[in-house]
Amino acid sequence: QKEVEQNSGPLSVPEGAIASLNCTYSDRVSQSFFWYRQYSGKSPELIMSIYSNGDKEDGRFTAQLNKASQYVSLLIRDSQPSDSATYLCAVGGLTGGGNKLTFGTGTQLKVEL
Amino acid sequence: DGGITQSPKYLFRKEGQNVTLSCEQNLNHDAMYWYRQDPGQGLRLIYYSQIVNDFQKGDIAEGYSVSREKKESFPLTVTSAQKNPTAFYLCASSGAATNEKLFFGSGTQLSVL
Repeated sequence: QKEVEQNSGPLSVPEGAIASLNCTYSDRVSQSFFWYRQYSGKSPELIMSIYSNGDKEDGRFTAQLNKASQYVSLLIRDSQPSDSATYLCAVGGLTGGGNKLTFGTGTQLKVEL
Repeated sequence: DGGITQSPKYLFRKEGQNVTLSCEQNLNHDAMYWYRQDPGQGLRLIYYSQIVNDFQKGDIAEGYSVSREKKESFPLTVTSAQKNPTAFYLCASSGAATNEKLFFGSGTQLSVL
C-alpha cells in the first residue's frame, strides 16, 4: 500500500514563530514531493516542490527532503495568521504511478496572535 | 488568464440521478485528474487521463465515469451507483512528464438532497 502520512494536528504556533510540518512516505522509489496549502472550502494551492535531498528555500518557506529516511518537511518562518490553513503533502513518481500524486490527509496549522 | 475552470461551484443531486461536473483547462496540459475530498480527509484519486481519448481508473472509480474527447475538457459524471456522493470534487491538470506539478481548479461541492 502506497501511503503518505501526516499528523492531522492542529499544530498551534504563535505569530512570528517557526512552524514545522512533517510528512513520511512508504514508497522508496518516490521521486517528487510537493506541499500544498488549502484554506477551508478552497482548492489546494502549490507552495513548494522538491525533488532531491536537502533543503529548498522560497521566501519564508523551506522544504527539506531526506530520501534515506523517507520524510519531507516544510518549515514556515515568521508565521503569520494568514498562514493558518491545512497543509497537504503530496508524493509523486510512485511505482507504476506515472505522474499521479498521492496525498496525505493534511496538517492543520493555526497561527495565534 | 490561463487556468482550470470547474462548474458549477455547488451542485445538488437527487436520489437516483446522474450529475455531471465540468472541468475545462486552457493551460495546454496533457494530463487531467479528478480527486474527491471528504471533510478532514486528504484527496483521493477518482480518474485520470494522460492523453485525449484515454483515461484510467484511480483508487475510488466505482460509481463515477469520465470522458476525454478534447484536450481541454475532462467532465466527471457521478452516477446513481455512487451511494455516498457528498464531497468536494477537485479537478487538476499537469504536463505529461513524470514529476510534473498539479494545478487545481476551484472545486465543486456536491451534496445530496
